[in-house]
Amino acid sequence: ETVLTQSPGTLSLSPGERATLSCRASQRVSSNYLAWYQQKPGQAPRLLIYGASSRATGIPDRFSGSGSGTDFTLTITRLEPEDFAVYYCQQYANSPPWTFGQGTKVEI
Amino acid sequence: EVQLVESGGGLVQPGGSLRLSCSASGFTFDSFAMHWVRQAPGKGLEYVSAITYNGGSTYYADSVKGRFTISRDNSKNTLYLQMSSLRVEDTAVYHCVKDSRSRSLWSLDYWGQGTLVTVSS
Repeated sequence: ETVLTQSPGTLSLSPGERATLSCRASQRVSSNYLAWYQQKPGQAPRLLIYGASSRATGIPDRFSGSGSGTDFTLTITRLEPEDFAVYYCQQYANSPPWTFGQGTKVEI
Repeated sequence: EVQLVESGGGLVQPGGSLRLSCSASGFTFDSFAMHWVRQAPGKGLEYVSAITYNGGSTYYADSVKGRFTISRDNSKNTLYLQMSSLRVEDTAVYHCVKDSRSRSLWSLDYWGQGTLVTVSS
């Protein structure tokens, strides 16, 4: 099983600042099958990024994903008030069951 | 508009059973794999199970293997999760999730709001 470790656990920032979230895999994620999701309180998660760097439909370009192999990053340039949420990475390489990281909370 | 509406959650005693349903609309249901993902209160996301678009293959997390059964009825656009031998640690909101790529296993693009399962005596 591929274990995903996200860091930091909590990121305290202000609107307009840049957020950099890390996701490290215990083994190589083949073909960069890595996704990022955003979850706000009381809501279902929303797909932000798939294939490590491709934005999902309707996702603003201030969200970007990068990385390969075992190290992946989600960057949010110029945080908007609605971006304060919990972010999860998830790998979908090979057959399920897949795994999620434990989450990073971005707070004001 | 894609809609996924879960039902069937509730309070059940340890060792009991429950069947969750997910009614899907707004997309060609029989073209997409479907998944269940759960979230314990105040905790992160945990992948539970998946089923291919035609029901030909199913997958389970080790934590539920042998106790949970995923299935689908493409004629009714409905996904199911039969849960048995329930444990306290199965307490969670269970989300029905659509795969993002037709006839494949890919990222998870649409999530239902979830149904709460509480296992307690």
